[in-house]
Amino acid sequence: NAGVTQTPKFQVLKTGQSMTLQCAQDMNHEYMSWYRQDPGMGLRLIHYSVGAGITDQGEVPNGYNVSRSTTEDFPLRLLSAAPSQTSVYFCASSYSVSINYGYTFGSGTRLTVV
Amino acid sequence: GIQVEQSPPDLILQEGANSTLRCNFSDSVNNLQWFHQNPWGQLINLFYIPSGTKQNGRLSATTVATERYSLLYISSSQTTDSGVYFCAVFPANFGNEKLTFGTGTRLTIIP
Repeated sequence: NAGVTQTPKFQVLKTGQSMTLQCAQDMNHEYMSWYRQDPGMGLRLIHYSVGAGITDQGEVPNGYNVSRSTTEDFPLRLLSAAPSQTSVYFCASSYSVSINYGYTFGSGTRLTVV
Repeated sequence: GIQVEQSPPDLILQEGANSTLRCNFSDSVNNLQWFHQNPWGQLINLFYIPSGTKQNGRLSATTVATERYSLLYISSSQTTDSGVYFCAVFPANFGNEKLTFGTGTRLTIIP
C-alpha cells in the first residue's frame, strides 16, 4: 500500500542508548520530515529534507541526526537517548517542496526513554 | 516564527450537534491544512485549503488568508468525530518546507 511507513511502532530505551527510527515512503515524494508530538504542544519540526542528499534543521533539532541517501528513506537517529526525548515521533512526506500538495503522515513511533 | 492558535482547546458535545473550530495565525501563509488525530494517534488529512471554502460530507472548511484565520465546521457530529483537530500552516517566507502546527482542539462527542 502506498504511503508513509514508520518502524518500530513502540520502543523503550534506557538513557544513553542509541537507536534509529525508520521512515520510508513509496510515493516518490521529494520532501520528507520528522516531527515530535508532546502533550499539549502540538507537533514540532525536528529535521527535514527537500531531496536525496539534502537535509536541514527544524525547530527542535538538538539530540537528533538525519540523512537522506535515497528518495524513499529518511531515518532519524538518536545518538544518546535522554528522558526529554520521550515523545511520539511522526514522519511526513510531500510530493514537492515548490508546489503545495499537502503532507502525508506515517502512523507514528511512541518512544519512551527511562 | 509564525504563531498558530486554535480555539477552543477542548469541546464536549452531544452526538448530532454542530461545531465550529477556529484557527488564527500571526503571519502570511502559502497554504493551510486541517488534520484529525483519531484516538489511536493517526493523523488524517481533512482539508488542504489556502483560501475559500471546501466541503467533504459533514465537514467543511473556510480560510480567509487576508484576515489570517480558518474555520472548520462539523455538522451532525458522530462519536467517530472524537479526537484532536489540528490546524497547520505553511509560512509564506518558507515555502512548503516548514509546516507549523497549532496546539489543537480536543473534541469529545458523547452518545
